[in-house]
Amino acid sequence: QQPVQSPQAVILREGEDAVINCSSSKALYSVHWYRQKHGEAPVFLMILLKGGEQKGHEKISASFNEKKQQSSLYLTASQLSYSGTYFCGTEEVDSNTGKLIFGQGTTLQVKP
Amino acid sequence: KAGVTQTPRYLIKTRGQQVTLSCSPISGHRSVSWYQQTPGQGLQFLFEYFSETQRNKGNFPGRFSGRQFSNSRSEMNVSTLELGDSALYLCASSKEAGPYGYTFGSGTRLTVV
Repeated sequence: QQPVQSPQAVILREGEDAVINCSSSKALYSVHWYRQKHGEAPVFLMILLKGGEQKGHEKISASFNEKKQQSSLYLTASQLSYSGTYFCGTEEVDSNTGKLIFGQGTTLQVKP
Repeated sequence: KAGVTQTPRYLIKTRGQQVTLSCSPISGHRSVSWYQQTPGQGLQFLFEYFSETQRNKGNFPGRFSGRQFSNSRSEMNVSTLELGDSALYLCASSKEAGPYGYTFGSGTRLTVV
């Protein structure tokens, strides 16, 4: 079951914050976040595991609410380099590890 | 260190033909997954291999198949190509089965005419 991402698109000014949400109807083992720039491969940002552990790096962090099967990606003080399409990928408890089901993506545009 | 290498980068095929795409994972990575990316359907899971065994398969017809070799390199094959198979095919590798992130290759852009 494909997770639902919201919003579909975001336009920000440099320095502003953004939150991207990912929601699944299935029990999840993990949530991955990736960023893809136009014409490039998706790049791994972070993984969230059952237990609600919050992981992040630099000014990008994320959380995972396993009771609600929801994850949120937080981008603070956005930079021009943050522009791209963000995908969440979910691993369901019922399936073997290694199968990621991706959301439809959230397009983020950061303007000067 | 070298990333995930996919060959060829671009491919144009005619309907009815078959095609084989190749993926060389990062050295030491044993899990290899394949995804199809299209503007309409987004990123869709095809299959995943670990230690030469297919552990997961997505909802694609039997025309889509794959395999993994003992050196972890993987190939996917699409037989009897259809126009709708035109897409970017991405390969991703991971260290092991388990909660690790995936490193994607740059993909093979397949166009079926």
